[in-house]
Amino acid sequence: GAGVSQSPSNKVTEKGKDVELRCDPISGHTALYWYRQSLGQGLEFLIYFQGNSAPDKSGLPSDRFSAERTGGSVSTLTIQRTQQEDSAVYLCASSPLTGGFAYEQYFGPGTRLTVT
Amino acid sequence: GNSVTQMEGPVTLSEEAFLTINCTYTATGYPSLFWYVQYPGEGLQLLLKATKADDKGSNKGFEATYRKETTSFHLEKGSVQVSDSAVYFCALSGTFGAGGTSYGKLTFGQGTILTVHP
Repeated sequence: GAGVSQSPSNKVTEKGKDVELRCDPISGHTALYWYRQSLGQGLEFLIYFQGNSAPDKSGLPSDRFSAERTGGSVSTLTIQRTQQEDSAVYLCASSPLTGGFAYEQYFGPGTRLTVT
Repeated sequence: GNSVTQMEGPVTLSEEAFLTINCTYTATGYPSLFWYVQYPGEGLQLLLKATKADDKGSNKGFEATYRKETTSFHLEKGSVQVSDSAVYFCALSGTFGAGGTSYGKLTFGQGTILTVHP
């Protein structure tokens, strides 16, 4: 079946502009995660959505970052007033969260963001 | 908080050599442990997992055993191939401590670049 998809695959933006990154999880997956992969920081958790529960935003690096998930499916990560340090690959993952211990996550191909 | 430490790379091996990538973790409760792999130009893929102490995860000839006493989850393969060249990430998710909850947020190690030469 279809995996996790993300768009755009690449985004180049000027410093100070806002950007929106989109994630389409695997159909039926209730959990959705955003991570950031950068050279200096490795792979970092950003935010987590699970059903109708309040999202866990504990990994968002600043208040310029926000995310929403509409209808329990598609998610959008928004970065306002982008800075050069925001340049990274933004990864989305989804999980069925069947209630077992092993929360296997399925990752999308990522969006490479470059802030000039 | 949770943390994962991997051996520093890069690791360069000849084909058919034995591979070990060390991984240790710090966590409260009983995390699940994972190895993810990122092949050149591709996204992260789950390689193997283990959910409780002494479990052994295995896939594609790779193995890792969940050692609670040493808080380790070392990745091994008896004979590597050129196609195994990739970046390998050790990760843990969630804890189930007394009164605790888990939601599967992954904490990753810094990644180990493996290059296998013919």
